[in-house]
Amino acid sequence: DTGVSQDPRHKITKRGQNVTFRCDPISEHNRLYWYRQTLGQGPEFLTYFQNEAQLEKSRLLSDRFSAERPKGSFSTLEIQRTEQGDSAMYLCASSSWDRVTYGYTFGSGTRLTVV
Amino acid sequence: AQTVTQSQPEMSVQEAETVTLSCTYDTSESDYYLFWYKQPPSRQMILVIRQEAYKQQNATENRFSVNFQKAAKSFSLKISDSQLGDAAMYFCAYRSASGGGADGLTFGKGTHLIIQP
Repeated sequence: DTGVSQDPRHKITKRGQNVTFRCDPISEHNRLYWYRQTLGQGPEFLTYFQNEAQLEKSRLLSDRFSAERPKGSFSTLEIQRTEQGDSAMYLCASSSWDRVTYGYTFGSGTRLTVV
Repeated sequence: AQTVTQSQPEMSVQEAETVTLSCTYDTSESDYYLFWYKQPPSRQMILVIRQEAYKQQNATENRFSVNFQKAAKSFSLKISDSQLGDAAMYFCAYRSASGGGADGLTFGKGTHLIIQP
């Protein structure tokens, strides 16, 4: 297993378009997290899954954002009607539930630019 | 809500010297976990070191050690014998131990560490 994979690495989209990002966690990890990181800031928690269940959503996750993890493996994060303020790095991380206090494994992120 | 503050936007240190990065946090909880993560330019975030709040002993990982002061809500990172590969953004992070579905990390804004050869 090569770690947490995110696709695409970079995405440029026009304002108002929909975008979807994918995250493939480490295979034995049943917890998956999404974070958003804007320039000069630390990552901000968006949501997390245990297996296929979405257990927590941040208030940052507006109605335009939706995340899924249909089979408890990979996850997708969709942003509808993108706005310039959505430009950021979107990070995915994973952990096993019994090792969560040992920290997460992060992916390299998807950098979104909304023009 | 918990907050994490890193008051040093940027730090610079000579190679082979020692540097300390500061982190303070605010919480009303008694049980929690603290982390330092390293984010090299255009690369993924890597866990450097972790500390359980119930442990008085400071965590150490090779050249990296922490000074955890629970009463002062302070969690600084000391890097000894700094190497060029240590250059990166360093983030301090907090995680509640209360369970109940609250599993997200709260990060500080980061400190940019520059290593001068």
